Parts: sequence; C-alpha cells; structure tokens
Amino acid sequence: QQQVKQSPQSLIVQKGGISIINCAYENTAFDYFPWYQQFPGKGPALLIAIRPDVSEKKEGRFTISFNKSAKQFSLHIMDSQPGDSATYFCAASLVTGGGNKLTFGTGTQLKVEL
Amino acid sequence: EAGVTQSPTHLIKTRGQQATLRCSPISGHTSVYWYQQALGLGLQFLLWYDEGEERNRGNFPPRFSGRQFPNYSSELNVNALELEDSALYLCASSSWGQANEKLFFGSGTQLSVL
Repeated sequence: QQQVKQSPQSLIVQKGGISIINCAYENTAFDYFPWYQQFPGKGPALLIAIRPDVSEKKEGRFTISFNKSAKQFSLHIMDSQPGDSATYFCAASLVTGGGNKLTFGTGTQLKVEL
Repeated sequence: EAGVTQSPTHLIKTRGQQATLRCSPISGHTSVYWYQQALGLGLQFLLWYDEGEERNRGNFPPRFSGRQFPNYSSELNVNALELEDSALYLCASSSWGQANEKLFFGSGTQLSVL
C-alpha cells in the first residue's frame, strides 16, 4: 500500500526556473514531512523538513509548502541550478513516541538544463 | 566526523545464497534503519534497530533479518536470495530524543542476484 504519492516522475527545468514537486499522503497521523535529495551513487541526504503545525518552511532556495486539509505538500526550488539535478524523494512519518520509520514517495528525477 | 558507512559497496550473489550487509552508524547514534531501494519503487522500509533491539519491521518476508551489535553497528542478512532481491540497500542512523527525526543515510550496498 503506497501511502505517499509523488509527482511528477521526472522534470526538466531551465536554469533559473522554478522546480515544483508534489506529494500527497494518506495517513493523517503523520507528523513529519522531509524531502531528501539523492545524487547517483550516493545515499539520500536530508534537504528540508516540515512539521504539520506550519504551512511553509523556507531554507535558502528550497521551500516546502504544506496543506494539511488537502493532505498535500510540495517542494519548490527557486532559481534552479544544474547542480540541483538529482532525484528528490518526499517522505512522511510519525516521529512522536520514538523512532522515525519513513514512508517514501517514488522519487522525481530533476534535470536542470543550461 | 565520519558519516554512515556501509560495506561492501557491491555484492554479487546467485539465487539461493545468503548475503550479509554491514553498517556503521554515525558516532553517538543509537538507531539504525535499513531500507531497500529497488528500481522505480523508491525506498521501502525494512528494519529499525535501537539499543540492540529490533523496534519495527517493514512488510518483508522473514528471510530478511538483522541485528545490532553493542557498538550500535548493524548487519542485514538476506537468506535464500531471489532475483527480485537485487536492489540498493541503504542504512541510515539517527540519535534519540528530539533529534531522532533526522536520518542520515550511507551510500548503500548494491546487491545483485544472478
């Protein structure tokens, strides 16, 4: 059962453009929503994360928008750069009470072209 | 500070054999998570160990097992290998308490079953 749906599967953006990746979740008990970035041959690295008590979080060029009522969240990459070309995964988990068993989306391959 | 280290980087086995994958967490981290990353399926949660105990298990058959040692390193064992076990196996670690939500991943072990 896939509990986190991610789209699009792949994305091509021009340098300087905005990249937008969307995710939807089913389990309303989730209380932690991170985004991971993965380069070829490497493990995923935490990019940015949000808790459901806020609607937006920004770190540099990366912003998470969170819509609790719609059970959706998205990653916006402003001023996209070729170095941002990677696979991005959204995830969700219930961290309250201990542990962090993440449920991941299927990933979005982002390519930023010059 | 050293990150999460996994060995071996690549492992080639034949169907029916057993595979052993190893993981050393970041110093000070007590929790170790194992994920399977098969092509096109995102990351699937396998196992969570903390303080030497198995805390949670994903939807995988019993031939996937593991353990955590007193120094918090961990082993993942896959018995009776099947072709569909071919995947990248990722280990992640985290600390406990308020920081437990941040998972740090290793670069993975690429398991190929022939």
